[in-house]
Amino acid sequence: DSGVTQTPKHLITATGQRVTLRCSPRSGDLSVYWYQQSLDQGLQFLIQYYNGEERAKGNILERFSAQQFPDLHSELNLSSLELGDSALYFCASTGRNSGNTIYFGEGSWLTVV
Amino acid sequence: GNSVTQMEGPVTLSEEAFLTINCTYTATGYPSLFWYVQYPGEGLQLLLKATKADDKGSNKGFEATYRKETTSFHLEKGSVQVSDSAVYFCALSDLAGNQFYFGTGTSLTVIP
Repeated sequence: DSGVTQTPKHLITATGQRVTLRCSPRSGDLSVYWYQQSLDQGLQFLIQYYNGEERAKGNILERFSAQQFPDLHSELNLSSLELGDSALYFCASTGRNSGNTIYFGEGSWLTVV
Repeated sequence: GNSVTQMEGPVTLSEEAFLTINCTYTATGYPSLFWYVQYPGEGLQLLLKATKADDKGSNKGFEATYRKETTSFHLEKGSVQVSDSAVYFCALSDLAGNQFYFGTGTSLTVIP
């Protein structure tokens, strides 16, 4: 158990809809990262938050947004969903107590139909 | 900029064969280097890491040595098992431990 919790584990939704993925980082970790993993794209970095502030942005679409709340949990919002958004979305966290190591949650499987 | 290049897969080996998965990196300074493993249907798990040149990370029979002169961190195991079938990712973190860069992953299948 990495200590990073993601919900939901699976969801199926229709094109055009909006979903929210939730992540609770390891206790004490201030940094949260979101990644997308699809069969043909590998592991893609989407965005990073540090203590509530956006720290780095990767290949995140404008239809996607994220935030980190004062209790350090994070949410990834995916809107106007397309078939190609079907993927596994990972949250990961790191911090002073993580020994400079990033720890991943088990992911949220999103299927857009 | 920082980047990681790892050998393309898929790799198929017979049980008890020797495994090498190549990983090279580009980075400024002395990054930390990692290998992560992803078993089917699961998230990425830290397999091993090394934080400075000539360090050897090891875990579950896997080893990798941080080679500054060749900018490499190749993963090795002397005798693979069917249970080692997974996708392996090489990664590095920047000096501040703030940004992480992942390779594309190498799929390993071990057949009995």
